[in-house]
Amino acid sequence: EVQLVETGGGLIQPGGSLRLSCAASGFNVSSNYMTWVRQTPGKGLEWVSVIYSGGSSYHADSVKGRFAMSRDNSKNTLYLHMNSLRAEDTGVYYCARGVLTALFYMDVWGKGTTVTVSS
Amino acid sequence: EIVMTQSPATLSVSPGKRATLSCRASQSVSNNLAWYQQKPGQAPRLLIYGASTRATGIPARFSGSGSGTEFTLTISSLQSEDFGIYYCQHYNDWPTTFGQGTKVEI
Repeated sequence: EVQLVETGGGLIQPGGSLRLSCAASGFNVSSNYMTWVRQTPGKGLEWVSVIYSGGSSYHADSVKGRFAMSRDNSKNTLYLHMNSLRAEDTGVYYCARGVLTALFYMDVWGKGTTVTVSS
Repeated sequence: EIVMTQSPATLSVSPGKRATLSCRASQSVSNNLAWYQQKPGQAPRLLIYGASTRATGIPARFSGSGSGTEFTLTISSLQSEDFGIYYCQHYNDWPTTFGQGTKVEI
């Protein structure tokens, strides 16, 4: 069964750092486009980051310079490294598999993990 | 950035009736448009991609149409399990963006 499970969310103070994990099963993250999408009270659904099968990653302007993606092929796991967190980063973070066309749409989603940035 | 605008914000439909949801792009996105359904406490689920192609396992009562800047999601005969919020997403150019959603109430 194709599945994604996110972990690592929690309460963090502004300016802090957090690492989210996304464990995949039923397919290889290394041969797919993998994305993070967040759902925030302020902006609704917002694409955050993508990592291509070749290893290149791209990020939304709102998180550029603060967030990074990586993956561990041996663990079939994806990571989102979040630094300099702000209140507006609060939301549910979903890991999703991207299907490459012009850009990508997302055909498999995890259940999400909640990040709360607050003092 | 392409802005996706969905209408109406809320749609109340009786079971068995047709529901029509709209999504408008601020500039052409060709047919690079997906629709998702989200229920409370759940992740979005892919319904339609390529503006009109149903994803695997999606019932035939869901259909998508349109190209360029105007798109429609139609639920031909609404079932009780179809309540939720529906989002459109363009994936034509950087960055991919979502609409704000249409809430379908039974």
